[in-house]
Amino acid sequence: QKEVEQNSGPLSVPEGAIASLNCTYSDRGSQSFFWYRQYSGKSPELIMSIYSNGDKEDGRFTAQLNKASQYVSLLIRDSQPSDSATYLCAVRSSGNTGKLIFGQGTTLQVKP
Amino acid sequence: GAVVSQHPSWVICKSGTSVKIECRSLDFQATTMFWYRQFPKQSLMLMATSNEGSKATYEQGVEKDKFLINHASLTLSTLTVTSAHPEDSSFYICSAIGPNYEQYFGPGTRLTVT
Repeated sequence: QKEVEQNSGPLSVPEGAIASLNCTYSDRGSQSFFWYRQYSGKSPELIMSIYSNGDKEDGRFTAQLNKASQYVSLLIRDSQPSDSATYLCAVRSSGNTGKLIFGQGTTLQVKP
Repeated sequence: GAVVSQHPSWVICKSGTSVKIECRSLDFQATTMFWYRQFPKQSLMLMATSNEGSKATYEQGVEKDKFLINHASLTLSTLTVTSAHPEDSSFYICSAIGPNYEQYFGPGTRLTVT
C-alpha cells in the first residue's frame, strides 16, 4: 500500500512565525510532490509543486524535498491568520495513471 | 490558467432520484479527470479516474453502476449519482490534469440527499 503520512495537528503558530509542515511517503519511485491548501468547506488549491531534491521558494512558501529520506516539507514564513487551513501533501503515484496519493492533511492555526 | 469549474455548486435531491454533476476544464484540454468524495473532517477519497473517450477506472469499493462517469469530450466529465441515498450526501470534487501535468481541483459540489 503506497502511503503518504502527515501529522494531523492542529499545528498552532503565532502570527508572523514560521510554520513547518512535514510529510513522508512510502513509494521510493515517486517523482512528483505537491502541497495543497484547503479551507474549511472549500476544495483544495494547489500552492506548490516540487520535483527535485532541495528547496523551491515561491513568495512566503518554501517546499523542501529529500528523496533519500522520502520526506517533503512546506515552510510558511511570516504566517498570517489567513493561512489557517488544512494543508494536504500529495505524491504522484509512480504508475502511469497520474493519480495523486494524499496525506490526511495537517490543520494549521495561525493565532493573531 | 488551469481553471476547473463544477456545476451545480450544491444540490438537494430526494432519496431514489439521480443527480448529475458536471466538471469542466475552462482553459485547457484534459484527457484525464478525477472524481473525489470528501465527508466532513475527513480526507479526500478518490472515487474514479475519468479518461476521455474510454471507460472510467473505479477505485476499489466504489460501485461503478451507482456512480456513472462519462468523459465525452476533452473539457467535460460528468458524474451521475444514481438512486441516491442519504449516505451519498457528501462533497464531490473533480480535478483535471493541467498543462504542466499538475492537478487542479474544481470548486466542488455539495450533495444532500433527503
